[in-house]
Formats: sequence, C-alpha cells, structure tokens
Amino acid sequence: AQKITQTQPGMFVQEKEAVTLDCTYDTSDQSYGLFWYKQPSSGEMIFLIYQGSYDEQNATEGRYSLNFQKARKSANLVISASQLGDSAMYFCAMNRWNNNDMRFGAGTRLTVKP
Amino acid sequence: NAGVTQTPKFQVLKTGQSMTLQCAQDMNHEYMSWYRQDPGMGLRLIHYSVGAGITDQGEVPNGYNVSRSTTEDFPLRLLSAAPSQTSVYFCASSYSGTGVGGEKLFFGSGTQLSVL
Repeated sequence: AQKITQTQPGMFVQEKEAVTLDCTYDTSDQSYGLFWYKQPSSGEMIFLIYQGSYDEQNATEGRYSLNFQKARKSANLVISASQLGDSAMYFCAMNRWNNNDMRFGAGTRLTVKP
Repeated sequence: NAGVTQTPKFQVLKTGQSMTLQCAQDMNHEYMSWYRQDPGMGLRLIHYSVGAGITDQGEVPNGYNVSRSTTEDFPLRLLSAAPSQTSVYFCASSYSGTGVGGEKLFFGSGTQLSVL
C-alpha cells in the first residue's frame, strides 16, 4: 500500500509570508493522484488542490500551489501571502488510480503569526 | 444543499456498548467511505462502498461493520465498543470513487466518539 509522510508536525509563518509544507509519498504505481486538505479548528475537511501523476505542470489554486517533483516523490504545498485564516491542520493524501484506498499523511499544524 | 451529513456530532459510550454512526449524502455519489482520525496518525480508512450493496474493507476495519442498502446512506456500526475506538470519525463521499484520477472527497463534519 502507498505511504504518505509529512515530516513537519508543526510550522510557524509570519503573516503575508510564503510557507512550504512538505509531503513525500511512496508508491510503485505510475498512475496516482495527490491531494491537499485543510482542517481548521472547527474540524471540517476542506479540499485545497490536486495533482495527477501525469500532469506536467504544477497545480495552482489561488494562493495554493503544489510543488510536484515526481522523481523525488514529493508533493509539497506552497501557500503564498499567508493569512491568519490559514492557521489549520494540513493533510497530504494520495490515491492510486483504480484503487479506492485513499491514504493520508499525519498532518502538519500551521500557525500564522500576526 | 446539505452535502454529507453525519450524526451524532458527539457520543460517549461505555466499553461493550454498541452504536451506529449515521452518514447520508444528497449528491447522488456512488462512493462513500468512513475514516477515523487520531492524533499523529492522520486519517485512516475503515470501510468504503462503491455503490448500493457493495462494501469493502479499508486499512483499519476490525471492530466495525457497514452496509449500503441505498445510494444515500452508509452507516457505521460498532458492535462492542472498545477504548481503542475513541476517535473522530469522518464520513466522506465522491462521485465515482477515489480510484478515479482527480476525484476529491466531500467530507461530513465529523463525529467525536469517546469510549470509556
């Protein structure tokens, strides 16, 4: 089964600065997708961004971008111009195509300082 | 537009008690799933279903039962609760399943379960 590793239990960033949250994955599959979800203190899970393994360009969604390095098996989330509302847990997840077992990393708690 | 609805939001059980966590979605999604979230472990898949009458095990299925009699509903049953099942439970759904490239999950608001 695939494994997702998020090595940063907690991160701090100053408001308006950029921050990178790390995610590495381990799979022997060629076809897979990578996701990032945000979980605010209220507890809901919010989809942020998706990258397919065959996508040649890094995915972007507003202030979120995914730094996808396939050879290194990494899918880091970059948040530009951090806002106080970005303080939350962030989860990296991966699914293999034709497999319904989506795996999540342990998460990174991001705190944005004013 | 309700999306994915989970009930209850909070529940306290005694060891050995049984209960059912309810999950319903109104988006006509074929795929539904249950995850548990524990500190330092992220979300782990318990069971999932790709359509009415079809269920399968995820990463941590022991101690849990599911059934899918309708497209809308996917209840999770704890037959004999144990303290190790203290966790936050999330129901999630998607149109066709997480095995389809790019298909994101829609999550319910979660159920916080404590087993004493």
